[in-house]
Amino acid sequence: GNSVTQMEGPVTLSEEAFLTINCTYTATGYPSLFWYVQYPGEGLQLLLKATKADDKGSNKGFEATYRKETTSFHLEKGSVQVSDSAVYFCALSVTYNQGGKLIFGQGTELSVKP
Amino acid sequence: EAQVTQNPRYLITVTGKKLTVTCSQNMNHEYMSWYRQDPGLGLRQIYYSMNVEVTDKGDVPEGYKVSRKEKRNFPLILESPSPNQTSLYFCASSLRQGAAYEQYFGPGTRLTVT
Repeated sequence: GNSVTQMEGPVTLSEEAFLTINCTYTATGYPSLFWYVQYPGEGLQLLLKATKADDKGSNKGFEATYRKETTSFHLEKGSVQVSDSAVYFCALSVTYNQGGKLIFGQGTELSVKP
Repeated sequence: EAQVTQNPRYLITVTGKKLTVTCSQNMNHEYMSWYRQDPGLGLRQIYYSMNVEVTDKGDVPEGYKVSRKEKRNFPLILESPSPNQTSLYFCASSLRQGAAYEQYFGPGTRLTVT
């Protein structure tokens, strides 16, 4: 079946550090891949997405590349800020599967210290 | 402002007392769904709807009901809540079904069943 595995948190970094959050997936067909972010007390917001192999999604300094050969979609940012503290979810979607439902990883909490 | 709203945001109730969590979107979206978020499990889809009067089960539908009488509204009904339904619930909507369409999430409803 379809599933997403992401690195466990919490991850604690100092401001301006480099961030990597690992995400791997298992899917039948050709999934689209997403990173969502959840700030404290809020709903999920789409951070970036990639719809086919070798696509790179980017937004707000975050990047992730759809790697079909390694079934991965790791999230990176060169220099994190305190305001990036949140929970990050990797997710996939396959159109034919329940209308394109999102299948989420368990989430990775990021805490950035000044 | 384009948004998904949920009410209530917080609810504490007792086992067996019927409750409804409302969800409304103002973007004329066809596809709506409900997820529950539990620690270590990420988000899991409860029910989804591809359009008015078209609903179907997601991955964890037991103990829940939904209806879609109007395009903008998609209430979640717990007819006899139990403590294992204590969770954080999110409603989401997208223009149409399918992985290509971004899903927009509501702010969440934190439900506690004692």
